[in-house]
Amino acid sequence: DAGVTQSPTHLIKTRGQHVTLRCSPISGHKSVSWYQQVLGQGPQFIFQYYEKEERGRGNFPDRFSARQFPNYSSELNVNALLLGDSALYLCASDGGLHYEQYFGPGTRLTVT
Amino acid sequence: EDQVTQSPEALRLQEGESSSLNCSYTVSGLRGLFWYRQDPGKGPEFLFTLYSAGEEKEKERLKATLTKKESFLHITAPKPEDSATYLCAVHNQAGTALIFGKGTTLSVSS
Repeated sequence: DAGVTQSPTHLIKTRGQHVTLRCSPISGHKSVSWYQQVLGQGPQFIFQYYEKEERGRGNFPDRFSARQFPNYSSELNVNALLLGDSALYLCASDGGLHYEQYFGPGTRLTVT
Repeated sequence: EDQVTQSPEALRLQEGESSSLNCSYTVSGLRGLFWYRQDPGKGPEFLFTLYSAGEEKEKERLKATLTKKESFLHITAPKPEDSATYLCAVHNQAGTALIFGKGTTLSVSS
């Protein structure tokens, strides 16, 4: 079975631009979460979506937004990019509340 | 505030030299403690879930244990391919987010 997939793998953007990252969950998983991981730190929670509804939001500015589609895939959007947004963005899916989350390979975003 | 602290930050072992990684947690009602392995530039790979004190899980050379305040990841006779960053995480109170520690970077030399 295919795991969590993310696209693109790498991305280079300029300050002030907008970026869209995409994620497809494991087949049968209805929940998708997004995390940001900067070098040397553990992943930080951004959003969780379940059945197209936002179920949780971390401490990130309103420049970050997300949505989930009827096929349970998801997009993370970041507006007005800052240098500090450079990080590995991880998507995870799970089978329900309190279950383990399975992560995709991540999207490496570099903001110059 | 829910919090996870891992120690040591880095650990260097010789092949075959067993050791343990520590994960201390503070959470309002544990709803699961998770161990992940992460290779450089890749997403975390799920290893174990522990739900209650006294629980133990094993996989190859790895064994995870859980008490009321901390978890240990024991590595027996490690090999160079065990080199990676090991992350510990707990669910937040709502069960919607994983709260991660900073990880322990393990290097095993032959």
